[in-house]
Amino acid sequence: QVQLVESGGGAVQPGRSLRLSCAASGFTFSSYGMHWVRQVPGKGLAWVAVIWHDGSNEYYADSVKGRFTISRDNSKNTLYLQMNSLRAEDTAVYYCVKGGEVNKMDSWGQGTLVTVSS
Amino acid sequence: DIQMTQSPSSVSASVGDRVTITCRASQGISSWLAWYQQKPGKAPKLLIYAASSLQSGVPSRFSGSGSGTDFTLTISSLQPEDFATYYCQQANSFPYTFGQGTQLEIK
Repeated sequence: QVQLVESGGGAVQPGRSLRLSCAASGFTFSSYGMHWVRQVPGKGLAWVAVIWHDGSNEYYADSVKGRFTISRDNSKNTLYLQMNSLRAEDTAVYYCVKGGEVNKMDSWGQGTLVTVSS
Repeated sequence: DIQMTQSPSSVSASVGDRVTITCRASQGISSWLAWYQQKPGKAPKLLIYAASSLQSGVPSRFSGSGSGTDFTLTISSLQPEDFATYYCQQANSFPYTFGQGTQLEIK
């Protein structure tokens, strides 16, 4: 079955960088677009970014554009989120999400918590 | 960006009740709408995609309808495990956006 395991979260000071990883298994990773979605603890869901199955296209939420970069290594079945110039408002649980046909986001990882604080 | 508005924000219901949650998009999104269920401390789970298609493994008591700007999620007969928070999400265009959530509580 589909398994998505995020790692790389933790506590970081404002202005610093962090890279999240998502190890995928149980499906043909190179065939599917992948997303990052975040959730401030106790709040709602917010879509962050998407990357096409072959890495040829990316889209970002306005709140992270220019600071975050989504990427993937299909040879390693791994999705990444490079987060630079982190702000307190980036504090959230970050979920790795598998895309599917008809634009659905059908499988979610367990999430990794990023805390941005001085 | 497309704004998604859910109502109600919270609802209390009993086991066996029929519950309907609505979601309105700020502009037409055809049938590009999904519904998710989230329990405390857990990742969201896809229930419905393309407005009315049931995700594999999801019980048939869950159903979705609508197109354009107005959508509904219906749970035909609430079970104890259905008490959770529900989110709608538009998949018509990037950035994808979610509703604010509806918390379904036990009466």
